[in-house]
Amino acid sequence: KQEVTQIPAALSVPEGENLVLNCSFTDSAIYNLQWFRQDPGKGLTSLLLIQSSQREQTSGRLNASLDKSSGRSTLYIAASQPGDSATYLCAVRVTQGGSEKLVFGKGTKLTVNP
Amino acid sequence: GAGVSQSPRYKVAKRGQDVALRCDPISGHVSLFWYQQALGQGPEFLTYFQNEAQLDKSGLPSDRFFAERPEGSVSTLKIQRTQQEDSAVYLCASSRGWGRGPNYGYTFGSGTRLTVV
Repeated sequence: KQEVTQIPAALSVPEGENLVLNCSFTDSAIYNLQWFRQDPGKGLTSLLLIQSSQREQTSGRLNASLDKSSGRSTLYIAASQPGDSATYLCAVRVTQGGSEKLVFGKGTKLTVNP
Repeated sequence: GAGVSQSPRYKVAKRGQDVALRCDPISGHVSLFWYQQALGQGPEFLTYFQNEAQLDKSGLPSDRFFAERPEGSVSTLKIQRTQQEDSAVYLCASSRGWGRGPNYGYTFGSGTRLTVV
């Protein structure tokens, strides 16, 4: 059974710092990996999607890496801003017997202090 | 539509009441998913549709939960005889289906927050 773990559970940093969020998964047989952002009381906003054959994806100040063989992904946020404060969720897309789903970690709650 | 739309945004139900939650996926998206998110947790898979076919309902927690997508577009998640443990945010997501590329990820709605009192 695929399990996704995110470390740390919470992180508080001063504005301007570069930071790394970690995600690990137990089964390397994934279709892709997606990072999401969730603001309080809101749905999920997709940040980056990395295919299983890719090593990294970049969007603005965000960079996500994927090491499928070791079951790890990192989300790097450069020059953090207070507006980056949210919960960040990592999810792997898995397939089994004609079905598919995303398996999520519990998230990292990020607070960026002005 | 431009995004995944869910209604209602909030629902308060008395224990034992039946509820129905609606999801309007992005037009043309063949895959539709329902997830349940408890406070402080990541979303948990409930069920998966490809067009009108429910291909996986292994995540539904009990036979009180039922989902349908009769015409392959709008979906309804129904919970019968609600219990307090059903209180959660229910998220709907849709996708284009199989394919490799940035446009084949999941798009989530804003969710329905269900509170059972």
